[in-house]
Amino acid sequence: DVKVTQSSRYLVKRTGEKVFLECVQDMDHENMFWYRQDPGLGLRLIYFSYDVKMKEKGDIPEGYSVSREKKERFSLILESASTNQTSMYLCASSYGGTQETQYFGPGTRLLVL
Amino acid sequence: DQQVKQNSPSLSVQEGRISILNCDYTNSMFDYFLWYKKYPAEGPTFLISISSIKDKNEDGRFTVFLNKSAKHLSLHIVPSQPGDSAVYFCAASPYNNNDMRFGAGTRLTVKP
Repeated sequence: DVKVTQSSRYLVKRTGEKVFLECVQDMDHENMFWYRQDPGLGLRLIYFSYDVKMKEKGDIPEGYSVSREKKERFSLILESASTNQTSMYLCASSYGGTQETQYFGPGTRLLVL
Repeated sequence: DQQVKQNSPSLSVQEGRISILNCDYTNSMFDYFLWYKKYPAEGPTFLISISSIKDKNEDGRFTVFLNKSAKHLSLHIVPSQPGDSAVYFCAASPYNNNDMRFGAGTRLTVKP
């Protein structure tokens, strides 16, 4: 069974704080993804990584950065949190081929005050 | 620019009846399509997929239909059960990578 874990289920931060969201997968997947889910907008891709130290921008990378130093771990960083980054953040992973299913973690609900 | 659209934000059906969830896409490069199911406070879980070389894929009570010429897919759930109540996301990815795009989701409520 694929397991994707996220470091926190709920997080409350203040505007301007630096925020780290961690994601770990245990299936040796090459690809890892960060999405945010907002009502009426579905899941929007922030960044993805297809290998260690590699990253690609998704649809909404502004205000975010990522780090992938190890294959199993993909971090999302909010350099200076803002209220419009209040959202549900979802991490996913998949094998490196095409037509691969993505497996999701439980999500982190972030509130920025 | 939403490349995957689910135009019905919600759907309510009676237990035992058929649920039909619809999805439209605009990008002709998409060739792999998936449905995910999401319960509150949980991540989406994979439900069923279909490749563009097929027009139908069935898994138990769940069937996905793909109409490539119309750029439309649908998920049929027969018979619907109260435990199927969740948000359903349609997703699509191109043939050459895993850059997946999701729809906004449809909240299905199955009434006992």
